[in-house]
Order: sequence, then C-alpha cells, then structure tokens
Amino acid sequence: GAGVSQSPSNKVTEKGKDVELRCDPISGHTALYWYRQSLGQGLEFLIYFQGNSAPDKSGLPSDRFSAERTGGSVSTLTIQRTQQEDSAVYLCASSFGAGVGYEQYFGPGTRLTVT
Amino acid sequence: GENVEQHPSTLSVQEGDSAVIKCTYSDSASNYFPWYKQELGKGPQLIIDIRSNVGEKKDQRIAVTLNKTAKHFSLHITETQPEDSAVYFCVGGGGADGLTFGKGTHLIIQP
Repeated sequence: GAGVSQSPSNKVTEKGKDVELRCDPISGHTALYWYRQSLGQGLEFLIYFQGNSAPDKSGLPSDRFSAERTGGSVSTLTIQRTQQEDSAVYLCASSFGAGVGYEQYFGPGTRLTVT
Repeated sequence: GENVEQHPSTLSVQEGDSAVIKCTYSDSASNYFPWYKQELGKGPQLIIDIRSNVGEKKDQRIAVTLNKTAKHFSLHITETQPEDSAVYFCVGGGGADGLTFGKGTHLIIQP
C-alpha cells in the first residue's frame, strides 16, 4: 500500500518568506509526527498529533513554527519568516497509534533551504 | 526528558566483518528501544526493536542487546554486506511522545 508522502520534496525560499510543508500519512494511522533533521544530526522531535489534536508542542523551536492536522489525515507544518537556521530536512512519520511500541513509518522528507 | 548518546558517529568495516553500534540512555523509565536505518535520500525505517523485558533479540544478521542496569544497548550486524551501508539511529522512549533519536552512525561497508 501507499506509504507516507511529503510535498514538496525540495523547497528553496528566501529569508523572511513563509513556507508550508505537507504530509500525507498512511491511511488509518491516527498518530502523526514531525521531525527536523539537520546535516549530520539526529532527528529532532517537533510535534505530534493524535487525531487532530496536538498534545505536545514542546519541540517546536519558536513561535514561527506551527502545525495543524485536519480530518485526522493530512498535516501541514508552517514556518513563518524563515531564517537560514531553519534549513534542514523535515520528516513526517505516522503510526497506527501513539505510544510505546507502535512503529513509526517515515516519509522521504522535505529538504528546505533558506537563502 | 530522555537523552540518548550514540557511538561511533562513523564506522567503516570490511565486507563480511561485523559491525557494532552502541548507545546509552538516561531515563530509567524508558522501556522501548527501536533501531532505524536511513538510506540516502529516504526516511528512516525500523529494522529491529527491543523491549525492556528482554536482554537480546535477533533477526537474521541483526541483533540488539540491552543492559537496563547500565542503561546501554547495542546493535550488532554480522556478515556485513554492501547494502548495509546507511545511517543507523538508536532510539530511546517510553511514553506517548515522539521518540528520542541518537545522532546516528554512518556505517560504511568497504568492498
């Protein structure tokens, strides 16, 4: 079946512009996660959704970052007034449920470059 | 929160030899330890996981060991093959939040 898809695959934007990244999870998966991966670094947890609600937003780096999920499916991560330090690969994952033991299935990521 | 340390950052081994990647964690409440493999241009993929009620788990050429007392766990790959070349992440976790990933090990299999 279809896996997690993300769009766009690559995004180049000028400093100060807003960007929107999209994630389509696997159908039927109730939990959705956003991570950021900087060059040579591990995955930094940003936010997760259980259904449409986000119980934990503590990983969002600043108030320029926001995310929403509608209909328990598609999620968008929005970065306002982008900065060069926002350049990274943004990964989305989904799982059948939230919590220990549920495998997270990752999308291929969106590579964001802020010039 | 959980803190996961992973070593080494880069590991180069001859094809056919074994590779070992080690991780430590800080949260004694963590009870689930998956390992993810990330190939170039792709998202990470789960390859094996272990829960705190067992000390070792094997799946063909891959094994993971866990020492809860010392709070460390390791990934062992035997008879390495070129397709094993990738970045490997250890993960610690025990709650409903996003997992805590180590910084990754770039495994290079030399022909």
